Amino acid sequence: DGGITQSPKYLFRKEGQNVTLSCEQNLNHDAMYWYRQDPGQGLRLIYYSQIVNDFQKGDIAEGYSVSREKKESFPLTVTSAQKNPTAFYLCASSKKVAGGSADTQYFGPGTRLTVL
Amino acid sequence: GNSVTQMEGPVTLSEEAFLTINCTYTATGYPSLFWYVQYPGEGLQLLLKATKADDKGSNKGFEATYRKETTSFHLEKGSVQVSDSAVYFCALKETSGSRLTFGEGTQLTVNP
Repeated sequence: DGGITQSPKYLFRKEGQNVTLSCEQNLNHDAMYWYRQDPGQGLRLIYYSQIVNDFQKGDIAEGYSVSREKKESFPLTVTSAQKNPTAFYLCASSKKVAGGSADTQYFGPGTRLTVL
Repeated sequence: GNSVTQMEGPVTLSEEAFLTINCTYTATGYPSLFWYVQYPGEGLQLLLKATKADDKGSNKGFEATYRKETTSFHLEKGSVQVSDSAVYFCALKETSGSRLTFGEGTQLTVNP
């Protein structure tokens, strides 16, 4: 069954600690994305990657880091530099189409991070 | 830059009522347009999409038509059900890019 998995579903962190959120896809998609969602708001792009070993900052990259060592995996680390990390984090992926642009994005189930 | 504006929510309807959620956009060129739905505590699911002017996307009784002249992509459903209660997001993607620009989302509640 193809899809995007995110783990864990709920994550609790003490202030000052780094934490890594997992995102895995078996759709053979080239591009992967991380979004942050705050209550009652839309999605904001944190980082995205269009190919292995390459990634770009989104609109709110400060306090976050990513890696893309494998096509299937795009983990997100929320560092202690992120001032307000409590949020719902969503991972997405898409395939490339002719001309190099990306096709429709498909989303994982999300991870809810709470800082205690 | 690109932007998407959705009608403000929340929207509350009775079962079998007609639904319209307005979405207008600002973009250069010919973007692709999407509606996503988010049920409580879950990720986003693609509801429908349209990739060029006058295209109509449809799925599960929902429809939206890509109107270039009014830069709109309004979501409609003729008869809503309680199970349609969710948050609906309108989004656009530029032709040559990969990033999505989202609207703020519209909370829909359908009462029996």
